[in-house]
Amino acid sequence: RKEVEQDPGPFNVPEGATVAFNCTYSNSASQSFFWYRQDCRKEPKLLMSVYSSGNEDGRFTAQLNRASQYISLLIRDSKLSDSATYLCVVKGTDKLIFGTGTRLQVFP
Amino acid sequence: NAGVTQTPKFRVLKTGQSMTLLCAQDMNHEYMYWYRQDPGMGLRLIHYSVGEGTTAKGEVPDGYNVSRLKKQNFLLGLESAAPSQTSVYFCASTGTGAGELFFGEGSRLTVL
Repeated sequence: RKEVEQDPGPFNVPEGATVAFNCTYSNSASQSFFWYRQDCRKEPKLLMSVYSSGNEDGRFTAQLNRASQYISLLIRDSKLSDSATYLCVVKGTDKLIFGTGTRLQVFP
Repeated sequence: NAGVTQTPKFRVLKTGQSMTLLCAQDMNHEYMYWYRQDPGMGLRLIHYSVGEGTTAKGEVPDGYNVSRLKKQNFLLGLESAAPSQTSVYFCASTGTGAGELFFGEGSRLTVL
């Protein structure tokens, strides 16, 4: 079993839609959690950290459920510019482990 | 601001050749990482370093060696390249190990 698992998608949604991505992790000792965004053939960039209490950044909301070892990302009012691959990242003691990513395509 | 710089950005090798990828960061970060990214596989950790003079194995270390002789540089070596090592390689660094990862632009390696 992979340490971090994501649905690869693709998720094809119209502009203005709300879309949710899920991620599960296997190491219960994991300490920190992140969502990264990667555009085609580019390096990943931090989208947001994920806190136990849940956190929001504009149209983006991240949730963490430690008991179920589950992380989610909700995108409201999708824009064409949100089209990208979204990577779930989990940190143990020293290592950051990436999920395979979920591809989002927003269409007009 | 340079951030994280990887060289070379592109390279074509023949099977059995050796090469070294250089990662340099100017942010005084302690932690540095080498990942490879293949279609459908996401980013997989090859090796990492938690400080100058230290290295550790990641998920897929076989066929690679690394060195961190200077804090700002993290070298990834392929002693005898194989076609299975055709990939995009990303270097990343972070200050405390808990914060944001800063990535280089990637190095595209093809082994024929």
